[in-house]
Amino acid sequence: AQSVTQPDIHITVSEGASLELRCNYSYGATPYLFWYVQSPGQGLQLLLKYFSGDTLVQGIKGFEAEFKRSQSSFNLRKPSVHWSDAAEYFCAVGASPGTASKLTFGTGTRLQVTL
Amino acid sequence: DTGVSQDPRHKITKRGQNVTFRCDPISEHNRLYWYRQTLGQGPEFLTYFQNEAQLEKSRLLSDRFSAERPKGSFSTLEIQRTEQGDSAMYLCASSFADRGLTDTQYFGPGTRLTVL
Repeated sequence: AQSVTQPDIHITVSEGASLELRCNYSYGATPYLFWYVQSPGQGLQLLLKYFSGDTLVQGIKGFEAEFKRSQSSFNLRKPSVHWSDAAEYFCAVGASPGTASKLTFGTGTRLQVTL
Repeated sequence: DTGVSQDPRHKITKRGQNVTFRCDPISEHNRLYWYRQTLGQGPEFLTYFQNEAQLEKSRLLSDRFSAERPKGSFSTLEIQRTEQGDSAMYLCASSFADRGLTDTQYFGPGTRLTVL
Protein backbone atom coordinates (compact mmCIF):
# COMPACT_ATOMS: atom_id res chain seq x y z
CA ALA A 1 0.00 0.00 0.00
CA GLN A 2 1.16 3.48 -0.72
CA SER A 3 2.04 5.86 2.11
CA VAL A 4 3.43 9.33 2.64
CA THR A 5 5.45 10.63 5.57
CA GLN A 6 5.89 14.28 6.38
CA PRO A 7 8.33 14.24 9.29
CA ASP A 8 7.88 17.87 10.31
CA ILE A 9 4.55 18.64 11.94
CA HIS A 10 5.30 22.33 12.41
CA ILE A 11 7.96 24.62 10.96
CA THR A 12 8.60 28.29 11.70
CA VAL A 13 10.66 30.46 9.37
CA SER A 14 11.31 34.17 9.14
CA GLU A 15 9.92 36.10 6.21
CA GLY A 16 12.51 36.20 3.46
CA ALA A 17 14.23 33.01 4.61
CA SER A 18 14.39 29.89 2.51
CA LEU A 19 12.08 26.95 3.10
CA GLU A 20 12.26 23.21 2.63
CA LEU A 21 9.42 20.88 3.57
CA ARG A 22 10.20 17.19 3.59
CA CYS A 23 8.15 14.41 2.07
CA ASN A 24 8.97 10.71 1.85
CA TYR A 25 6.75 8.26 0.05
CA SER A 26 6.35 4.52 -0.20
CA TYR A 27 4.96 3.13 -3.43
CA GLY A 28 5.78 0.01 -5.40
CA ALA A 29 5.60 1.49 -8.88
CA THR A 30 6.37 4.83 -10.45
CA PRO A 31 4.90 7.40 -8.10
CA TYR A 32 2.80 10.34 -9.10
CA LEU A 33 3.50 13.05 -6.55
CA PHE A 34 1.71 16.22 -5.57
CA TRP A 35 2.01 19.11 -3.15
CA TYR A 36 -1.13 20.91 -2.00
CA VAL A 37 -1.54 23.90 0.30
CA GLN A 38 -4.47 24.48 2.63
CA SER A 39 -5.32 27.73 4.36
CA PRO A 40 -7.36 27.55 7.58
CA GLY A 41 -10.90 26.35 6.95
CA GLN A 42 -10.33 26.08 3.21
CA GLY A 43 -9.95 23.37 0.63
CA LEU A 44 -6.68 22.30 -0.95
CA GLN A 45 -4.91 24.21 -3.69
CA LEU A 46 -2.51 22.40 -6.00
CA LEU A 47 1.02 23.81 -5.86
CA LEU A 48 2.78 21.42 -8.21
CA LYS A 49 2.91 17.84 -9.44
CA TYR A 50 5.39 15.29 -10.73
CA PHE A 51 4.37 12.66 -13.23
CA SER A 52 7.56 11.99 -15.20
CA GLY A 53 10.49 13.71 -16.90
CA ASP A 54 12.53 16.45 -15.28
CA THR A 55 12.88 15.65 -11.60
CA LEU A 56 12.83 19.35 -10.62
CA VAL A 57 9.32 20.71 -11.05
CA GLN A 58 8.17 24.28 -10.78
CA GLY A 59 4.87 25.26 -9.30
CA ILE A 60 2.82 28.28 -8.47
CA LYS A 61 3.73 30.98 -5.96
CA GLY A 62 7.46 30.43 -6.49
CA PHE A 63 7.52 26.87 -5.13
CA GLU A 64 9.55 24.02 -6.58
CA ALA A 65 10.04 20.38 -5.66
CA GLU A 66 12.63 17.79 -6.50
CA PHE A 67 11.88 14.10 -7.00
CA LYS A 68 14.67 11.83 -5.78
CA ARG A 69 13.87 8.19 -6.49
CA SER A 70 16.93 6.90 -4.60
CA GLN A 71 15.73 8.63 -1.44
CA SER A 72 11.99 8.16 -2.05
CA SER A 73 11.61 11.86 -1.45
CA PHE A 74 9.76 14.78 -2.98
CA ASN A 75 10.78 17.83 -0.93
CA LEU A 76 9.17 21.21 -1.46
CA ARG A 77 11.32 24.33 -1.54
CA LYS A 78 10.99 28.07 -1.80
CA PRO A 79 13.97 30.44 -1.83
CA SER A 80 12.26 33.33 -0.03
CA VAL A 81 9.14 32.89 2.07
CA HIS A 82 6.40 35.51 2.25
CA TRP A 83 4.07 35.99 5.21
CA SER A 84 1.17 34.90 3.02
CA ASP A 85 2.76 31.44 2.68
CA ALA A 86 1.70 30.58 6.23
CA ALA A 87 -0.61 27.57 5.81
CA GLU A 88 -0.68 23.79 5.99
CA TYR A 89 1.17 21.88 3.29
CA PHE A 90 0.30 18.36 2.21
CA CYS A 91 2.32 15.95 0.12
CA ALA A 92 0.36 13.24 -1.68
CA VAL A 93 1.05 10.22 -3.84
CA GLY A 94 -1.27 8.95 -6.54
CA ALA A 95 -1.62 5.58 -8.20
CA SER A 96 -0.41 4.75 -11.69
CA PRO A 97 -2.57 5.79 -14.62
CA GLY A 98 -5.36 3.49 -15.63
CA THR A 99 -6.09 2.57 -12.04
CA ALA A 100 -7.99 4.30 -9.30
CA SER A 101 -6.34 7.66 -8.87
CA LYS A 102 -7.11 8.12 -5.22
CA LEU A 103 -4.53 10.19 -3.45
CA THR A 104 -2.80 9.17 -0.25
CA PHE A 105 -1.83 12.19 1.80
CA GLY A 106 0.72 12.80 4.51
CA THR A 107 -0.35 14.30 7.81
CA GLY A 108 0.77 17.75 6.73
CA THR A 109 3.31 20.36 7.82
CA ARG A 110 2.05 23.58 9.33
CA LEU A 111 4.17 26.54 8.27
CA GLN A 112 4.36 29.61 10.45
CA VAL A 113 6.07 32.73 9.11
CA THR A 114 7.45 35.31 11.48
CA LEU A 115 7.92 38.91 10.43
CA ASP B 1 -13.58 30.99 -12.32
CA THR B 2 -15.83 27.91 -12.14
CA GLY B 3 -13.93 25.75 -9.71
CA VAL B 4 -15.30 22.92 -7.58
CA SER B 5 -18.09 24.11 -5.33
CA GLN B 6 -19.55 22.46 -2.25
CA ASP B 7 -22.72 23.13 -0.32
CA PRO B 8 -23.19 23.75 2.51
CA ARG B 9 -19.88 25.05 3.77
CA HIS B 10 -20.81 24.32 7.35
CA LYS B 11 -23.31 21.91 8.88
CA ILE B 12 -24.12 21.41 12.53
CA THR B 13 -26.38 18.51 13.37
CA LYS B 14 -27.42 16.39 16.29
CA ARG B 15 -26.35 12.81 16.66
CA GLY B 16 -28.71 10.45 14.89
CA GLN B 17 -29.80 12.92 12.22
CA ASN B 18 -29.21 12.45 8.51
CA VAL B 19 -27.19 14.96 6.50
CA THR B 20 -26.56 15.42 2.79
CA PHE B 21 -23.75 17.33 1.12
CA ARG B 22 -23.52 18.41 -2.49
CA CYS B 23 -20.52 18.81 -4.76
CA ASP B 24 -20.49 20.50 -8.16
CA PRO B 25 -17.33 19.61 -10.07
CA ILE B 26 -15.50 21.61 -12.68
CA SER B 27 -17.43 21.44 -15.93
CA GLU B 28 -16.35 18.59 -18.22
CA HIS B 29 -14.50 16.76 -15.47
CA ASN B 30 -15.37 13.09 -15.63
CA ARG B 31 -14.00 11.99 -12.26
CA LEU B 32 -15.27 13.07 -8.89
CA TYR B 33 -13.76 12.13 -5.54
CA TRP B 34 -14.83 12.42 -1.92
CA TYR B 35 -12.33 12.66 0.92
CA ARG B 36 -12.68 13.12 4.67
CA GLN B 37 -10.27 15.19 6.73
CA THR B 38 -10.20 15.13 10.52
CA LEU B 39 -8.40 17.66 12.64
CA GLY B 40 -4.63 17.48 12.33
CA GLN B 41 -4.73 14.87 9.59
CA GLY B 42 -4.45 14.77 5.85
CA PRO B 43 -7.48 13.98 3.73
CA GLU B 44 -8.47 10.31 3.47
CA PHE B 45 -10.06 8.84 0.37
CA LEU B 46 -13.70 7.79 0.66
CA THR B 47 -14.97 7.06 -2.84
CA TYR B 48 -14.80 8.13 -6.46
CA PHE B 49 -16.92 8.23 -9.59
CA GLN B 50 -16.03 7.93 -13.22
CA ASN B 51 -18.94 9.73 -14.85
CA GLU B 52 -21.98 8.29 -13.05
CA ALA B 53 -20.37 4.99 -12.03
CA GLN B 54 -19.07 4.63 -8.49
CA LEU B 55 -15.89 2.64 -9.06
CA GLU B 56 -14.27 2.39 -5.66
CA LYS B 57 -15.25 2.77 -2.03
CA SER B 58 -12.91 2.91 0.91
CA ARG B 59 -13.49 0.70 3.92
CA LEU B 60 -13.85 4.02 5.76
CA LEU B 61 -17.20 4.36 4.02
CA SER B 62 -19.51 2.49 6.37
CA ASP B 63 -23.00 1.45 5.34
CA ARG B 64 -24.30 4.68 6.87
CA PHE B 65 -22.61 6.57 4.05
CA SER B 66 -23.92 6.69 0.52
CA ALA B 67 -22.77 8.71 -2.46
CA GLU B 68 -24.39 9.28 -5.81
CA ARG B 69 -23.61 11.02 -9.05
CA PRO B 70 -26.83 10.46 -10.94
CA LYS B 71 -26.11 12.22 -14.21
CA GLY B 72 -22.37 12.29 -14.12
CA SER B 73 -22.35 15.90 -13.06
CA PHE B 74 -22.94 16.91 -9.43
CA SER B 75 -22.62 14.43 -6.58
CA THR B 76 -24.21 14.02 -3.18
CA LEU B 77 -22.83 12.40 -0.07
CA GLU B 78 -25.36 11.33 2.55
CA ILE B 79 -24.60 10.27 6.07
CA GLN B 80 -27.40 8.51 7.91
CA ARG B 81 -27.71 8.34 11.69
CA THR B 82 -24.75 10.62 12.23
CA GLU B 83 -22.30 9.89 15.05
CA GLN B 84 -19.90 12.25 16.78
CA GLY B 85 -17.04 10.47 15.04
CA ASP B 86 -18.40 11.70 11.72
CA SER B 87 -17.38 15.25 12.60
CA ALA B 88 -14.84 16.23 9.97
CA MET B 89 -14.26 18.27 6.84
CA TYR B 90 -15.67 16.54 3.77
CA LEU B 91 -13.76 17.46 0.65
CA CYS B 92 -14.77 16.95 -2.92
CA ALA B 93 -12.34 16.94 -5.84
CA SER B 94 -12.77 16.58 -9.57
CA SER B 95 -10.49 15.77 -12.46
CA PHE B 96 -10.43 14.94 -16.13
CA ALA B 97 -8.93 11.51 -16.67
CA ASP B 98 -8.01 10.45 -20.17
CA ARG B 99 -7.30 6.81 -20.84
CA GLY B 100 -3.73 5.90 -19.96
CA LEU B 101 -3.02 9.22 -18.26
CA THR B 102 -3.10 10.03 -14.62
CA ASP B 103 -5.29 12.87 -13.53
CA THR B 104 -4.86 15.99 -11.44
CA GLN B 105 -7.46 16.54 -8.77
CA TYR B 106 -8.83 19.99 -7.99
CA PHE B 107 -10.46 20.41 -4.62
CA GLY B 108 -13.47 22.31 -3.45
CA PRO B 109 -13.61 24.39 -0.25
CA GLY B 110 -15.07 21.52 1.76
CA THR B 111 -18.08 21.05 4.04
CA ARG B 112 -17.32 21.21 7.75
CA LEU B 113 -19.62 18.82 9.64
CA THR B 114 -20.06 19.08 13.39
CA VAL B 115 -22.12 16.39 15.11
CA LEU B 116 -23.29 17.35 18.59
